[in-house]
Amino acid sequence: GIQVEQSPPDLILQEGANSTLRCNFSDSVNNLQWFHQNPWGQLINLFYIPSGTKQNGRLSATTVATERYSLLYISSSQTTDSGVYFCAVGGGADGLTFGKGTHLIIQP
Amino acid sequence: DSGVTQTPKHLITATGQRVTLRCSPRSGDLSVYWYQQSLDQGLQFLIQYYNGEERAKGNILERFSAQQFPDLHSELNLSSLELGDSALYFCASTAYSTDTQYFGPGTRLTVL
Repeated sequence: GIQVEQSPPDLILQEGANSTLRCNFSDSVNNLQWFHQNPWGQLINLFYIPSGTKQNGRLSATTVATERYSLLYISSSQTTDSGVYFCAVGGGADGLTFGKGTHLIIQP
Repeated sequence: DSGVTQTPKHLITATGQRVTLRCSPRSGDLSVYWYQQSLDQGLQFLIQYYNGEERAKGNILERFSAQQFPDLHSELNLSSLELGDSALYFCASTAYSTDTQYFGPGTRLTVL
């Protein structure tokens, strides 16, 4: 099956810093999503981005489908950004395949 | 709030028992997906239903089964429970298979 690798696995930053999270996948996909799992366990959709670039406030994402990677940018980090960020990919009706996530800690 | 609801929020049971987890998709969504999140395996796709029919299977154990009812809610049945089945179980729904999946708040299952 498709492999999804996320980097870095852990990231500790000060409030106000910027960060880039990466997701590499091993095959072509027609579904790619970024999620934030908050400390209460809830999975929150950030972006549906099988290709191209999208922005939502301090967050933006870019997927280069031909090169099989996606990037999530977080600018001006806040403590509420802490949590685990997951990239998940899919090829149709097979469900999403998740990476292991990037555990982000934003310190005040 | 994603619009997907799951009950119960927490479930504590003993090994060998059987439990049922319930999911109601967002209004208008026909597809329901079940996922399991455990410390060992991470987030794994279990099974998908579309408008009452099983559409795709992932890493679902034979002890587990699911169904989707005419009102589109879905139930995941877990039987002969083992300690290793302790996990967070998520349901997600979407209108189309290649569209955004919206996740419910999850059911945390603890098997003692």
